[in-house]
Amino acid sequence: DVKVTQSSRYLVKRTGEKVFLECVQDMDHENMFWYRQDPGLGLRLIYFSYDVKMKEKGDIPEGYSVSREKKERFSLILESASTNQTSMYLCASSYTRYSQPQHFGDGTRLSIL
Amino acid sequence: ELKVEQNPLFLSMQEGKNYTIYCNYSTTSDRLYWYRQDPGKSLESLFVLLSNGAVKQEGRLMASLDTKARLSTLHITAAVHDLSATYFCAVVAGDSNYQLIWGAGTKLIIKP
Repeated sequence: DVKVTQSSRYLVKRTGEKVFLECVQDMDHENMFWYRQDPGLGLRLIYFSYDVKMKEKGDIPEGYSVSREKKERFSLILESASTNQTSMYLCASSYTRYSQPQHFGDGTRLSIL
Repeated sequence: ELKVEQNPLFLSMQEGKNYTIYCNYSTTSDRLYWYRQDPGKSLESLFVLLSNGAVKQEGRLMASLDTKARLSTLHITAAVHDLSATYFCAVVAGDSNYQLIWGAGTKLIIKP
């Protein structure tokens, strides 16, 4: 089974802090994604990466950055956390091969105080 | 811009009943995914629909795709409590091989 592991299930940080969310997958997937999930808004893509050191902005990249130094690890960075970044963050990975679904981690519920 | 709309967004139903969740999308796409999310849990892939007329079934759930109408349906037959969850559809963005555009989700509650 595919395993996508997010480093924390729950995280509480303060406004202005730099926050790191880590994601590791064990299936040698080329693609990795960071989403945020808010009630009534579905999933919104923040950033994705299709290869090591490669990244593309999604729909809502402002206030976030990412890092992919190794194929299995994709990090999301909140440069200076703000209260409107309080949300559920989901990491996913997939093969590039046609039609393969994305596999998700358990999510990190992040609260910014 | 590709948009994906699901309806209803919330559905409460009795066990044993049938119902359908609808997923409309605004521009051409040839791949559609259905996912399930249990409360506090991650998303689980249910179905991948790849062509017009595609139909997939797993237990009491059946998904279909009409690419001409830009519509997918997720049909629930004789609902049971264990199917209570939030269901999402997602469509591949037109110029991408892997980026998905998501519906807002349908929260389904099935009462015993």
